[in-house]
Order: sequence, then C-alpha cells, then structure tokens
Amino acid sequence: DIQMTQSPASLSASLGETISIECRASEDIYSNLAWYQQKSGKSPQLLIYAANRLQDGVPSRFSGSGSGTQYSLKISGMQPEDEGDYFCLQGSKFPWTFGGGTKLELK
Amino acid sequence: EVQLVESGGGLVQPGRSLKLSCAASGFTFSDYNMAWVRQAPKKGLEWVATISYDGSSTYYRDSVKGRFTISRDNAKSTLYLQMDSLRSEDTATYYCARWVYYGYRGYFDYWGQGVMVTVSS
Repeated sequence: DIQMTQSPASLSASLGETISIECRASEDIYSNLAWYQQKSGKSPQLLIYAANRLQDGVPSRFSGSGSGTQYSLKISGMQPEDEGDYFCLQGSKFPWTFGGGTKLELK
Repeated sequence: EVQLVESGGGLVQPGRSLKLSCAASGFTFSDYNMAWVRQAPKKGLEWVATISYDGSSTYYRDSVKGRFTISRDNAKSTLYLQMDSLRSEDTATYYCARWVYYGYRGYFDYWGQGVMVTVSS
C-alpha cells in the first residue's frame, strides 16, 4: 500500500498568515493527489485535485504544488473560515489512501 | 446540484449485517464510478470500496474483502454497501463519494453527509 505521511498534525495560525501542509507518499504517485477540508461534523470538501488544480468555487488563497512523492497545500492568508481538518488523498493505486490529517486552528 | 444522501446506518451487534444506501441526484449517476469511504470516531479517512460506472468492476480494501459488497442500481440512481460479519473496528461514519478523473488523475469531487454505523453488543 502507498503510505501518505502528512505534516504537521496540528497547526495554529494568525489571521492573514500564510501556512503550508505537506504530504509525502511512499512512492511516486504522479500527481494523483487531492486535498480536502473537513469542518467539524461535516463531510470533506474538495479543495485541490491533480496536485495543483483549484476546484471551482474554492478561494484563490488555496493552492497546491508538488510532484513525485512530495506535495503541499498552501493557504495564503489564513481566514477564520479556514479552521478545520485537512487531508490529502492519493488516487494513484489501490487501496487509495489518505494522509493522517492536519488540524488547523486560528490563533 | 449534485446530492448524495446516505441512509441505513445504526447500531448493530458484532457478527450481524447492515445495508447502507446512497441516493444520488443532480447528475447522470450511470456515468460515474462511485465509492464508500469511512471515518472512525476522531480518526482519519479510510477508503472502503469502489464500483465502476456500470457495476462491472469492484474493488475493496483488504480488511473488508469477503465481508462487504458494493453494488449499484443505475435505474434508481442508488449506491449500496452490504456489510456482513460486522466487527467493532467497522464502527465509523460511512460516506458515499463520487470518483472523477482529470486526465488520468482521479479524486473524489462530491461526498454525502455520512451515516453512522456502530458495531457493539
């Protein structure tokens, strides 16, 4: 199975701060990488797909980058509504696997 | 508007069965691969099973293989998950999700609200 190692596990950011979340795959996943935001008690919402494509309706302060085994999600200017859990997903090979998650809070 | 609405969850004893349903609307259901993803309380997400758009192919994680069956009724725009021989470790919120591709890169673009399954005596 492809292991997705996500870091950090938790993060506290100030309003307007730029933050990054990383996902490292145990093998090359050829940009088969998506990022999701999950707010408490809600289902995940797609932010980024194919490593760097912004889902329609997602604010442009969210961006994704990376290739091979290393990927990152950047939020350029933390907003209160960005609090929540963030997960990466690799869709390169079965079983599809998720990163362990990052809990983002507003400082 | 794409909508996925799960139902059928509840409390069940270990070893018993439960069948989840996911009613889809707002898109041509028969054009899309679909999946179930679960999330144990306070834990991360775990892919469970996937079915192709026409039902001809299915894929399962090892821990549910032989116990869970994913199926679909395209005439009713409904996805199912038959769960047999349930274990305490199957306790989770189960989401149905739509799988799409950008080129050859796949991902889930829409998720249901989730349904809770608790396996306990």
